[in-house]
Amino acid sequence: AQSVTQLGSHVSVSEGALVLLRCNYSSSVPPYLFWYVQYPNQGLQLLLKYTSAATLVKGINGFEAEFKKSETSFHLTKPSAHMSDAAEYFCAVSHNNAGNMLTFGGGTRLMVKP
Amino acid sequence: NAGVTQTPKFRVLKTGQSMTLLCAQDMNHEYMYWYRQDPGMGLRLIHYSVGEGTTAKGEVPDGYNVSRLKKQNFLLGLESAAPSQTSVYFCASSPYQQGIQPQHFGDGTRLSIL
Repeated sequence: AQSVTQLGSHVSVSEGALVLLRCNYSSSVPPYLFWYVQYPNQGLQLLLKYTSAATLVKGINGFEAEFKKSETSFHLTKPSAHMSDAAEYFCAVSHNNAGNMLTFGGGTRLMVKP
Repeated sequence: NAGVTQTPKFRVLKTGQSMTLLCAQDMNHEYMYWYRQDPGMGLRLIHYSVGEGTTAKGEVPDGYNVSRLKKQNFLLGLESAAPSQTSVYFCASSPYQQGIQPQHFGDGTRLSIL
């Protein structure tokens, strides 16, 4: 069975500081992993996805994530936070089966201080 | 470029009332999903469909029914609403391909049960 744990339901950083959002997963099969972002009163938008082609994945808006099999982690980073990055971020693992279902983590709300 | 459209966006119901949430996608996707989002719990899958005329239970199906009579539409029904069903509901769709295809989300329906 697949599961996802996001450490820290709330993360606060200063504008210009490093952003690090943590995601650990468990999967019985080689995982496909996703990060989504949700802005207030909107649906989820895809930030990036890991599909085994490369362990360092670059996404939109300057975010990237590194897949570390030995640590079963897929942490999301951005070198310099911007006020517009304030949102909720969700890590998800694919069941890699018919139906293409996802299991989501509980989410991390990122706050950016001026 | 509508993508996934959910109606209504907001609704308030009394306990015991029934209603149907409509999801429509214009991307010709095979798979469709209904999730509920509650604080700190991420998104949990209610029901999903792998094609027209098919439906299956997800993680939290009790109290909900679904139908997919047309490929582009996926309906979520509450037969007798309960306060525990107060939540934000998201519909999503994805193309037919295991694992690596991301899901595309609507903007959500905020449902309050009094």
